[in-house]
Amino acid sequence: DADVTQTPRNRITKTGKRIMLECSQTKGHDRMYWYRQDPGLGLRLIYYSFDVKDINKGEISDGYSVSRQAQAKFSLSLESAIPNQTALYFCATSDSWTGTDTQYFGPGTRLTVL
Amino acid sequence: LAKTTQPISMDSYEGQEVNITCSHNNIATNDYITWYQQFPSQGPRFIIQGYKTKVTNEVASLFIPADRKSSTLSLPRVSLSDTAVYYCLVGDMVDSNYQLIWGAGTKLIIKP
Repeated sequence: DADVTQTPRNRITKTGKRIMLECSQTKGHDRMYWYRQDPGLGLRLIYYSFDVKDINKGEISDGYSVSRQAQAKFSLSLESAIPNQTALYFCATSDSWTGTDTQYFGPGTRLTVL
Repeated sequence: LAKTTQPISMDSYEGQEVNITCSHNNIATNDYITWYQQFPSQGPRFIIQGYKTKVTNEVASLFIPADRKSSTLSLPRVSLSDTAVYYCLVGDMVDSNYQLIWGAGTKLIIKP
């Protein structure tokens, strides 16, 4: 969905490096999410944000941090990347925090940690 | 703890009806059940959502029994372009906190 963009789309980095993945949305949604996807494991929630002042840990937040710079921007940081953080990362937005409300996903960032 | 269970993979042929079932032993009382479709190198995309009984839209139907412990996504007359991974999503209250519970996904392969 072009309304949710992620940069970079692909990133290769080395163990111990700090990297940031960025997400921007033009849908005007308050809620934003960061997910990680590994083969055969589906989607796992890392962090979510209800608004710029409200950030919450998800299922697998260890080793990650986030920043909600504005309603439209939500960044995910890996302070010291490790190889098992190699995965596909998705940002998503929604109008409300329930399974009821449709989540709109970005195209994903493929991260490889060597 | 809530958990969703889906078949890992399914095969079918063009023109057939495909049914994918997701079991969710716990679901928040007022929550809906949502299904998403994902193509390679893309983010998941909303397909359909329901609370109870049957819901139909232009691409799929969703059947939910009265106990809401499962749901079945039905794709009528599939085509090659329906080859994708399908996820169910429910919400549950865990230790007074609402959590989103994604299924691990069903890889559907449509053959000519």
